[in-house]
Amino acid sequence: EPEVTQTPSHQVTQMGQEVILRCVPISNHLYFYWYRQILGQKVEFLVSFYNNEISEKSEIFDDQFSVERPDGSNFTLKIRSTKLEDSAMYFCASSVTGGSPLHFGNGTRLTVT
Amino acid sequence: GQQLNQSPQSMFIQEGEDVSMNCTSSSIFNTWLWYKQDPGEGPVLLIALYKAGELTSNGRLTAQFGITRKDSFLNISASIPSDVGIYFCAGPSNTGNQFYFGTGTSLTVIP
Repeated sequence: EPEVTQTPSHQVTQMGQEVILRCVPISNHLYFYWYRQILGQKVEFLVSFYNNEISEKSEIFDDQFSVERPDGSNFTLKIRSTKLEDSAMYFCASSVTGGSPLHFGNGTRLTVT
Repeated sequence: GQQLNQSPQSMFIQEGEDVSMNCTSSSIFNTWLWYKQDPGEGPVLLIALYKAGELTSNGRLTAQFGITRKDSFLNISASIPSDVGIYFCAGPSNTGNQFYFGTGTSLTVIP
């Protein structure tokens, strides 16, 4: 069964550094998402992306965050200057259409020291 | 954003027992999703519900879309150790551009 793949599985970075988290959504899916989950807490929406532009973003997704689909397969999340509180699991998801069920990758654990 | 409250927050049950959990929202949804998350992994879709009153099964799992469209229920029959994990409900925003996730129910199955 097709799946969403994310790399790396674990990223450790120093505060203030830039990180790029990578995702390959399911190939026939048109909508892409980033969510995050702080340890032991619920899954929080960051941003959705369709037709090469952001369709919706949450208040968490401030100017330090950006997303890009640099080619036909990858979908990336960049955090420009990481903060300690950015430490979390970051999940990429994709769906066939808007409002259809999301399919998640296994996440990238980001640790900011 | 939307608040989806799940109860109970956690459950400890004996293997073989049935499990019931629910999810409530202050707003009406036209879709309810149920996910399971194993430790260190991403949420996996279990069941999708699209119509008020709908009852859908997936193996030992049965989920219902509440008549009021503000709640949903998930039942697991004859629990086994691999049912351990966190169960999340989710519902779409009005725009369909995101899904809101519930607070989660953590399930522990004691062999």
